Amino acid sequence: DAGVTQSPTHLIKTRGQHVTLRCSPISGHKSVSWYQQVLGQGPQFIFQYYEKEERGRGNFPDRFSARQFPNYSSELNVNALLLGDSALYLCASSPTVGGGYTFGSGTRLTVV
Amino acid sequence: GQQVMQIPQYQHVQEGEDFTTYCNSSTTLSNIQWYKQRPGGHPVFLIQLVKSGEVKKQKRLTFQFGEAKKNSSLHITATQTTDVGTYFCAGGGSNYKLTFGKGTLLTVNP
Repeated sequence: DAGVTQSPTHLIKTRGQHVTLRCSPISGHKSVSWYQQVLGQGPQFIFQYYEKEERGRGNFPDRFSARQFPNYSSELNVNALLLGDSALYLCASSPTVGGGYTFGSGTRLTVV
Repeated sequence: GQQVMQIPQYQHVQEGEDFTTYCNSSTTLSNIQWYKQRPGGHPVFLIQLVKSGEVKKQKRLTFQFGEAKKNSSLHITATQTTDVGTYFCAGGGSNYKLTFGKGTLLTVNP
């Protein structure tokens, strides 16, 4: 079975641009969460989706949005990029909410 | 909001020595999870503890969840070079949100 796959692996964007990050969970996993990890810190919770509904949202501005599709894959969108959005964006999936999560390898976003 | 503090921030040991990292939450947790992240890698799930006072073992790793469900610890016996990485605790609240600590970076001198 494939693990959690994220695309792209690396991305360079300019301030003010928009970015879409994609995630495919492990087959059968209905919960997808997004995290932002800056160097030297623990992952910070952005969103959780379960059965295509938003179940949780972290302390991120409205520039961050996400959705989950009928096949349980997910997209994270970030508008009006700031330099401070540069980070590793991690997607994690779980069979249910609240369980242990399997993380993808992440998307390294650099905003210049 | 919920905060999860983890100490120490760094720990360097000689191979064969023991290692412990501690995690404290500002609020009562529904569960605590532990992850390991190798340099340049992504977090890998180790274990989830749910019950007050719970103790679980995985080979040389021992995980504890405090009686008040606000603290936890990870103890590694006789460290090996393969144990190198950052160990994160993550507290689960009632709102499905996982709050990660800042992690403890473990380095092992062979």
